[in-house]
Amino acid sequence: DAGITQSPRYKITETGRQVTLMCHQTWSHSYMFWYRQDLGHGLRLIYYSAAADITDKGEVPDGYVVSRSKTENFPLTLESATRSQTSVYFCATWDRVGHEQYFGPGTRLTVT
Amino acid sequence: AQSVTQLGSHVSVSEGALVLLRCNYSSSVPPYLFWYVQYPNQGLQLLLKYTSAATLVKGINGFEAEFKKSETSFHLTKPSAHMSDAAEYFCALAYSGAGSYQLTFGKGTKLSVIP
Repeated sequence: DAGITQSPRYKITETGRQVTLMCHQTWSHSYMFWYRQDLGHGLRLIYYSAAADITDKGEVPDGYVVSRSKTENFPLTLESATRSQTSVYFCATWDRVGHEQYFGPGTRLTVT
Repeated sequence: AQSVTQLGSHVSVSEGALVLLRCNYSSSVPPYLFWYVQYPNQGLQLLLKYTSAATLVKGINGFEAEFKKSETSFHLTKPSAHMSDAAEYFCALAYSGAGSYQLTFGKGTKLSVIP
């Protein structure tokens, strides 16, 4: 299926554990983004990537690591999860031709 | 710096009444502006977008928004609210700078529709 997929959709992990959230797109859009959504804060940008092997920090990058070895994948890793990282995480791409951002369905992460 | 301000974190309207959700932006470059809707436990769905063509933009589900440069506003309206419009709405600004694109989101407005 075309579009953006995220996995897992739901994840519960313990404080201190490493967890990786996966994001895959089928459009070959060069730009990809990771956001977190929290009550009262809207969506905040964690990291973004302009192309394979090019990544940059967003507004709230601390505690997160990204990589992008292939255009279609943009995994987000929490190296040592903390309770403050409990959130809903959205992956997105940017269509430079249509000037539109497309969002994945989200991953609900709970850190206990 | 680019920013988006949504006035009112929570708006209530009666079914059949006008919906008006306010969005003001700040941008040093011509922006692209968007409204997204998010239903509970779902992702974000694009309602409409402004990309420097017509200033009055029509979107899905009967929503429209008008880009007013002089007022730096991009308010979302719908003539008659329906119960199914109850959701959270986000205004966003996209800009190109330093060779990259970024989006900035407002904090969202939760719309309640009273029967």
